[in-house]
Amino acid sequence: AQSVTQPDIHITVSEGASLELRCNYSYGATPYLFWYVQSPGQGLQLLLKYFSGDTLVQGIKGFEAEFKRSQSSFNLRKPSVHWSDAAEYFCAVGAGNQGGKLIFGQGTELSVKP
Amino acid sequence: NAGVTQTPKFQVLKTGQSMTLQCAQDMNHEYMSWYRQDPGMGLRLIHYSVGAGITDQGEVPNGYNVSRSTTEDFPLRLLSAAPSQTSVYFCASQGQGPNTEAFFGQGTRLTVV
Repeated sequence: AQSVTQPDIHITVSEGASLELRCNYSYGATPYLFWYVQSPGQGLQLLLKYFSGDTLVQGIKGFEAEFKRSQSSFNLRKPSVHWSDAAEYFCAVGAGNQGGKLIFGQGTELSVKP
Repeated sequence: NAGVTQTPKFQVLKTGQSMTLQCAQDMNHEYMSWYRQDPGMGLRLIHYSVGAGITDQGEVPNGYNVSRSTTEDFPLRLLSAAPSQTSVYFCASQGQGPNTEAFFGQGTRLTVV
């Protein structure tokens, strides 16, 4: 069955420290992978996506993610976290060969210490 | 450009009542979806549509009904509200292909008492 797992429910990092959020997926075909961010009381905003080509993808707000097929992972990274990065982060895989269907992980809530 | 607009933002229902959550997009996207978000469970797909007149069930469709008479609108109907349907509901629209970005509305927070 298709699934996405985010092992860390909540992570706290200090401002200026590096960040890595983990994402593992289970999907039979070539996955279309996404990271979304949700600020409190808001909808979801796309950070970055991967569907082919270079396995290291750059996104908005200084985020990047690396696709590792051998590990079925798509971890999100940022070299230096800012207080405004505090939010909930969702990894998702596009299911099927059309649009409209995303399978989400459980989410990781990021807190940033001053 | 409004993107995806959901109404209402907040709603309280009594058990057994019915209501419709509205969703409209102005990006001429073919694909539209409804998700519910519950703590610790991420977002789960309720129903989706690949075009006007075509809908299909997602992971958690029971208790919900949808129709897509136009490209722009994709309302979600709760037939007889239950406390288990207390959740935050998000509508999304997506362009051609599974690798395109999904745009989300601001959400509707529904409480069923």
